[in-house]
Amino acid sequence: AQTVTQSQPEMSVQEAETVTLSCTYDTSESDYYLFWYKQPPSRQMILVIRQEAYKQQNATENRFSVNFQKAAKSFSLKISDSQLGDAAMYFCAYRGGNSGGSNYKLTFGKGTLLTVNP
Amino acid sequence: DSGVTQTPKHLITATGQRVTLRCSPRSGDLSVYWYQQSLDQGLQFLIQYYNGEERAKGNILERFSAQQFPDLHSELNLSSLELGDSALYFCATATDPNTGELFFGEGSRLTVL
Repeated sequence: AQTVTQSQPEMSVQEAETVTLSCTYDTSESDYYLFWYKQPPSRQMILVIRQEAYKQQNATENRFSVNFQKAAKSFSLKISDSQLGDAAMYFCAYRGGNSGGSNYKLTFGKGTLLTVNP
Repeated sequence: DSGVTQTPKHLITATGQRVTLRCSPRSGDLSVYWYQQSLDQGLQFLIQYYNGEERAKGNILERFSAQQFPDLHSELNLSSLELGDSALYFCATATDPNTGELFFGEGSRLTVL
């Protein structure tokens, strides 16, 4: 079974600074997807960024970027120019490759609580 | 707003009782997933339905059951409730099979006293 590990239960960053959240995963599959979801105090799960395993280029979405190291099974999230609104719980998630088109179960890590200090 | 609607948002009940949580997916989404989020277990996958049929089961207790109706809304039934069932229950739906992205509802907070 696939597992996702987030080794940092909590992180803090100063506003406007950069922070990196770590994630490692375990899988025997070669085709899969990785995600970072954000859960603010409102508790809604919001997709931050996604990465397809077959793509060598690291995904980027505005201030959010990932460092995807497939051989090391590592998928870290970098948040640049941190803003107060970035404060939230961040979850790393794994999804196996397209297995017939109907099963897209996500396996989540335990999460990292990010605090942004003004 | 993800477009996924869950009701009720909050629910307080007693041990031994039964509750039903409801999820309305985004228009056109055929897949519905149920997740349980608790402090000690994190986000746990419970069950998935696709176009009315059960497609995958995760860590779902026998006291729990779910179904997806012809109009694609889904219900999660929790019975013989225990204190440990207190958690946030999320429904998520899938739109594009190629992106793998799930869209989450706001969750139903269940408190069992």
